[in-house]
Amino acid sequence: GESVGLHLPTLSVQEGDNSIINCAYSNSASDYFIWYKQESGKGPQFIIDIRSNMDKRQGQRVTVLLNKTVKHLSLQIAATQPGDSAVYFCAALSGGYQKVTFGTGTKLQVIP
Amino acid sequence: NAGVTQTPKFQVLKTGQSMTLQCAQDMNHNSMYWYRQDPGMGLRLIYYSASEGTTDKGEVPNGYNVSRLNKREFSLRLESAAPSQTSVYFCASSEAGTPISPLHFGNGTRLTVT
Repeated sequence: GESVGLHLPTLSVQEGDNSIINCAYSNSASDYFIWYKQESGKGPQFIIDIRSNMDKRQGQRVTVLLNKTVKHLSLQIAATQPGDSAVYFCAALSGGYQKVTFGTGTKLQVIP
Repeated sequence: NAGVTQTPKFQVLKTGQSMTLQCAQDMNHNSMYWYRQDPGMGLRLIYYSASEGTTDKGEVPNGYNVSRLNKREFSLRLESAAPSQTSVYFCASSEAGTPISPLHFGNGTRLTVT
């Protein structure tokens, strides 16, 4: 089955620097990817999504890059702020309600 | 606009006890889901409801039952709680008839079974 994994469990970044969080997936049939942010004690919050027919999508201070050749996606956060401190995880959809696979998450720590 | 509301926020049960986790959404979404989140593991789907009147098993349905009471509400029941069901439970909803749209999550119910 599909597996989704993040490369680093913890990432520490200086305030104002850019952050890059990586995610790898295993199923080449995955056609939709989502990044979520989860703050302590809260539910996951949608950040940005990308479909497999795209390789880049930008939002407010965030960019998602998709490399289907190596089955890798990344989330870039520009000018990281203390409020960005959270666990970030990616999810991959490969057709059907049951086929959303979530990664385990990378904890982003912003150093003031 | 409250989004997805879950009750209770915290619960402690003894093995063998039963309880129902409540979930309601006010976004007029068709689909609703129950996930559990355990340390070191990604969110795992317990049950989902594609639309009012339908429910289906997800990845880890054993020990759980669900009811889609109406379009707004989707409850999760533990008939006989076990320590392995200690987890954080999240309810979610999505707009379209498929999960191609993002999931909107509640803030979770933290359940401990002793």
